[in-house]
Amino acid sequence: DAGVTQSPTHLIKTRGQQVTLRCSPKSGHDTVSWYQQALGQGPQFIFQYYEEEERQRGNFPDRFSGHQFPNYSSELNVNALLLGDSALYLCASSFDGSNEKLFFGSGTQLSVL
Amino acid sequence: GESVGLHLPTLSVQEGDNSIINCAYSNSASDYFIWYKQESGKGPQFIIDIRSNMDKRQGQRVTVLLNKTVKHLSLQIAATQPGDSAVYFCAENSGNTPLVFGKGTRLSVIA
Repeated sequence: DAGVTQSPTHLIKTRGQQVTLRCSPKSGHDTVSWYQQALGQGPQFIFQYYEEEERQRGNFPDRFSGHQFPNYSSELNVNALLLGDSALYLCASSFDGSNEKLFFGSGTQLSVL
Repeated sequence: GESVGLHLPTLSVQEGDNSIINCAYSNSASDYFIWYKQESGKGPQFIIDIRSNMDKRQGQRVTVLLNKTVKHLSLQIAATQPGDSAVYFCAENSGNTPLVFGKGTRLSVIA
């Protein structure tokens, strides 16, 4: 039973560039949530995708966008990267739009230079 | 500021002892609470959760206690092992809002 998988594991970009991160949810899950975790901090909610729509959104600018595909996988896109976007980006999956008992992937470590 | 936080940022315990990790929350409407363990280089791993209609729940070597009167949550780990060394996060929500995480407590187990 595959857990939540994310790719790539590490990424280095420069300011102003754009990045796309990918996530496949745990088998049987249909909901994907994205979190940003800065060094030494707890994860912060970016947005949640369910039924291919953004259902909930945290306090992140429009530079952060996403997509969910019919197979429930998801992408997180960040445009016009800033140094402050450097963080671990975590994908979490659940079922039926739930925010309970989220299962997390290992994350993508993004470094913006 | 964050609605969920932790009393101690670091905790060191002897192997075999019990560990207690504390968490305070400020939202009295919170009705769901969860603990995660995060090891270096990995994502958060589910440990145990509890709803606000309960005050205690037990898992394998772990117990979560909820005191709604003082808005306090704790995670107890029995017979702490070296593999328990990690950062522990509490998180909460209400009515299926997104989980709000605290800053975390680093648990170090001394062999």
